[in-house]
Amino acid sequence: DTGVSQDPRHKITKRGQNVTFRCDPISEHNRLYWYRQTLGQGPEFLTYFQNEAQLEKSRLLSDRFSAERPKGSFSTLEIQRTEQGDSAMYLCASSTRSGTGELFFGEGSRLTVL
Amino acid sequence: DQQVKQNSPSLSVQEGRISILNCDYTNSMFDYFLWYKKYPAEGPTFLISISSIKDKNEDGRFTVFLNKSAKHLSLHIVPSQPGDSAVYFCAASPLPGGNEKLTFGTGTRLTIIP
Repeated sequence: DTGVSQDPRHKITKRGQNVTFRCDPISEHNRLYWYRQTLGQGPEFLTYFQNEAQLEKSRLLSDRFSAERPKGSFSTLEIQRTEQGDSAMYLCASSTRSGTGELFFGEGSRLTVL
Repeated sequence: DQQVKQNSPSLSVQEGRISILNCDYTNSMFDYFLWYKKYPAEGPTFLISISSIKDKNEDGRFTVFLNKSAKHLSLHIVPSQPGDSAVYFCAASPLPGGNEKLTFGTGTRLTIIP
């Protein structure tokens, strides 16, 4: 399977715990994006990388959130001291620099904070 | 502040007829528009896009129309098929051909009735 893969698919945690999600993009894609989707809403942009450089972060990405893409391949999104409001689907996507603007999304990592 | 709006949460259409999904936007800086389709438990998948310099783009059964003066776009699917039943998201980017920082609408659930 050469699509975008995310791990874990589901995570249930208690409030205050830290969680980390991993995303493996399509191998030839140099751009990687994180989005968050809550019930009844569309995906909301969080951050994106071109190779290993984090080029933009949304104001939605509070200090408790950190994303990395250390070698320009896979990426991790860590949420520290989780809150119930962090419960959402975290979507990763990748793309090339040029093209139709198409993002290739993974299946997402669903976070439930109890 | 919802910059991309899909005012119809759901739509039901008979198989074989035309499905028309609508999207309005408020930010005049948006330059590129995309439609994504999402099945349950899957990430969104790209359908079709249009640049602001065009007013129509066609790909098989899917056509997107853009009316810049009205800040309105629509997706036409004809003929509609049962496999088209999904949630459709409209998205917009501030950059030409750009996929950075997409702003998504809240989605329209399309149900095709056999």
